[in-house]
Amino acid sequence: SQELEQSPQSLIVQEGKNLTINCTSSKTLYGLYWYKQKYGEGLIFLMMLQKGGEEKSHEKITAKLDEKKQQSSLHITASQPSHAGIYLCGADLNPAASGGSNYKLTFGKGTLLTVNP
Amino acid sequence: DAGVTQSPTHLIKTRGQHVTLRCSPISGHKSVSWYQQVLGQGPQFIFQYYEKEERGRGNFPDRFSARQFPNYSSELNVNALLLGDSALYLCASSLALLGHEQYFGPGTRLTVT
Repeated sequence: SQELEQSPQSLIVQEGKNLTINCTSSKTLYGLYWYKQKYGEGLIFLMMLQKGGEEKSHEKITAKLDEKKQQSSLHITASQPSHAGIYLCGADLNPAASGGSNYKLTFGKGTLLTVNP
Repeated sequence: DAGVTQSPTHLIKTRGQHVTLRCSPISGHKSVSWYQQVLGQGPQFIFQYYEKEERGRGNFPDRFSARQFPNYSSELNVNALLLGDSALYLCASSLALLGHEQYFGPGTRLTVT
């Protein structure tokens, strides 16, 4: 099974509606990254969360890492067609205290968001 | 400042051939990582380099190799190409090894026929 599960796999919303995408890990999240990707293109960095309970916002997008550090959510308020794309969560599953010296992100499969005008 | 750049943008190769992909990190970033993304999946970690040394390797065969140069740019080499190597190859850079934001380039689309 996947170490990082995203839900839903796809989402279609009407412009102006709010939506939430979830990212759940089977392991402790030592860093959680949200990216947006247009089909076949590179990943656009959205936000990085590291501390349990941390919440960050940028424009109409808010991301939160839960206290137990095994789940994160991405919330979009008043969605617009420009929000359409694939949202990917990437996680650092290596505890720094273990002396891990590489910086490998494990990704979910992504959530495809369609926003209808 | 320029973001992460990758070249070429697209590439078509034949089975059995060799390919070299190139990446230039954001100025000041010393860590470069390579990921492979096949259609419908999230990126899979291939390598990380920091200060010109390999610091991490994912579950990829020895046909995949990489290196980092003194200016922190990097190359990913793949030998004896297979059809299954067709994918988007992404390069990411960050300031250091751990706990820093990781920025991705636009990717190189490799098609193996």
